[in-house]
Amino acid sequence: AQKVTQAQTEISVVEKEDVTLDCVYETRDTTYYLFWYKQPPSGELVFLIRRNSFDEQNEISGRYSWNFQKSTSSFNFTITASQVVDSAVYFCALSGSNTGFQKLVFGTGTRLLVSP
Amino acid sequence: EAQVTQNPRYLITVTGKKLTVTCSQNMNHEYMSWYRQDPGLGLRQIYYSMNVEVTDKGDVPEGYKVSRKEKRNFPLILESPSPNQTSLYFCASSLTGWAGELFFGEGSRLTVL
Repeated sequence: AQKVTQAQTEISVVEKEDVTLDCVYETRDTTYYLFWYKQPPSGELVFLIRRNSFDEQNEISGRYSWNFQKSTSSFNFTITASQVVDSAVYFCALSGSNTGFQKLVFGTGTRLLVSP
Repeated sequence: EAQVTQNPRYLITVTGKKLTVTCSQNMNHEYMSWYRQDPGLGLRQIYYSMNVEVTDKGDVPEGYKVSRKEKRNFPLILESPSPNQTSLYFCASSLTGWAGELFFGEGSRLTVL
């Protein structure tokens, strides 16, 4: 079975602080994809990143960076110099070859509150 | 504008009264899926569809039906809604099901009394 755990239910930071959102996953598949989605207060879900299981290179996009470590089954997300606009619920998700990549399993989400 | 459109956005109904939540995408995507979002549970997949006339169950399909008669539309049907189906529902589409980026609708908040 596939599972995604986001142990941090809610994180509060002050603007300009760095923050890391943790994501730990479980899968028996050798080929899988990991995702991060953002849900701002307006409610829509926005795709942030996709990473496949064969690519462990870290990725940086502006203030966002992702650290993928297969050895610890983690795909953590770091926001550098956080801003109020980063306040949202962030979901980590997993899709594996066992289901033909048709099923996307989400974690329970981490609510990030960035105060001025 | 590329989008996934859900209707209604908000609905209050009563137990047992059949309802349909429509979902339409204008991106010619093959893959479509329905999720429900509940506090503390994240998003859970209800049904998905790889293409026209091809649908399959997700993790929480009980009490729901879907159909995919046209590529652009993927309605979610609650034949006899119950209070435990009170939730926020999202429709999503992807160019292919192969771990593609999902485009989500704005969500439909359903309350069953």
